[in-house]
Amino acid sequence: GQQVMQIPQYQHVQEGEDFTTYCNSSTTLSNIQWYKQRPGGHPVFLIQLVKSGEVKKQKRLTFQFGEAKKNSSLHITATQTTDVGTYFCAGKNNQGGKLIFGQGTELSVKP
Amino acid sequence: EPEVTQTPSHQVTQMGQEVILRCVPISNHLYFYWYRQILGQKVEFLVSFYNNEISEKSEIFDDQFSVERPDGSNFTLKIRSTKLEDSAMYFCASSDFSRTANYGYTFGSGTRLTVV
Repeated sequence: GQQVMQIPQYQHVQEGEDFTTYCNSSTTLSNIQWYKQRPGGHPVFLIQLVKSGEVKKQKRLTFQFGEAKKNSSLHITATQTTDVGTYFCAGKNNQGGKLIFGQGTELSVKP
Repeated sequence: EPEVTQTPSHQVTQMGQEVILRCVPISNHLYFYWYRQILGQKVEFLVSFYNNEISEKSEIFDDQFSVERPDGSNFTLKIRSTKLEDSAMYFCASSDFSRTANYGYTFGSGTRLTVV
């Protein structure tokens, strides 16, 4: 079945350092979504990528979708303590299909 | 901002008992989902629901699980005979695939189910 793998599992950074999490799918995806879950909270939708090679930015966050639509990354520039949480990628095989989550990358930021 | 509402926030139940987890999706959303998250682990898909029927379910969603939309607003997950391994946070989500929507899922705050 479809698998979505995410690395690293944990990342500890000093405030101001950059952070990147990587996501790989065993199958070609129709789209990929990114979510953030604060400690004790629920997943909150950040963005969706649909097109091959697509790059989208949200302030200090940059999201990329690979050319083959099987991998994606999230890069945060100059992390802040408010960035703390677990970042999940989630992919779909087709537009109406189930959304499968990666294992998540837990980011901690030391002030 | 519209929210998905889940009740109760925490449910403790004895093994073998039935539980019903309740959700009120966003009113103009048409697609509904249940996911669960065992502490510290990934968010696992259970079931999707559209047009008053299950559209897809995972291998976790066996005969012990059922979903229902009993009226125009509620969406429920029933576990008939709970097992210890059913202990997890259960998230309800809804989405709207209309042309102007952002296609993301809106998750509720979850129900923490503890089976003892």
